[in-house]
Amino acid sequence: DGGITQSPKYLFRKEGQNVTLSCEQNLNHDAMYWYRQDPGQGLRLIYYSQIVNDFQKGDIAEGYSVSREKKESFPLTVTSAQKNPTAFYLCASSMLTSAFHEQFFGPGTRLTVL
Amino acid sequence: GQQLNQSPQSMFIQEGEDVSMNCTSSSIFNTWLWYKQEPGEGPVLLIALYKAGELTSNGRLTAQFGITRKDSFLNISASIPSDVGIYFCAGPIMDSNYQLIWGAGTKLIIKP
Repeated sequence: DGGITQSPKYLFRKEGQNVTLSCEQNLNHDAMYWYRQDPGQGLRLIYYSQIVNDFQKGDIAEGYSVSREKKESFPLTVTSAQKNPTAFYLCASSMLTSAFHEQFFGPGTRLTVL
Repeated sequence: GQQLNQSPQSMFIQEGEDVSMNCTSSSIFNTWLWYKQEPGEGPVLLIALYKAGELTSNGRLTAQFGITRKDSFLNISASIPSDVGIYFCAGPIMDSNYQLIWGAGTKLIIKP
């Protein structure tokens, strides 16, 4: 059963701690994305990756870091430099083709920094 | 830069009513995507449109790619309680095959 998994669903951390959010996909997609969503707002792109060992900053990359060591995995680290980390984080993946632009999403991780 | 404007921001409707929402831009898009997000979940793709004038249905949902390529519409017929959620439109950023620009969403609420 193909899809995207994110873990954990809920995460609580103390201020000043780094935290890593997991994202795994078995759709054989080349491209993966991380978005942030705040209450009542749309999706804002944090980072994206088109191939292994390569990634690009999105609109709000400051205070975040990523890695892409495997095609299936794209973990996001929320660092202590992120001023307002409490949010809903969504991971997505897509085919790497100019013909189709559909992105498929995981269930999300809600991060609360206390 | 490119922007997508969704309206209305929210809708309160009675069960059984038809719903209409739209997404507009000052820029031309070659693709329009419509997603639905339920509370606490990731967005789910409903309909993808790739051709100006295209009209595509998915059950009670129908979406249209505007002929000017600057807008798209989503209609839901005979709404039911499970239609509640936030509906987002999205389209590819110019000169990027992989990045999407997103509307702010239309929140659908069904009156009890």
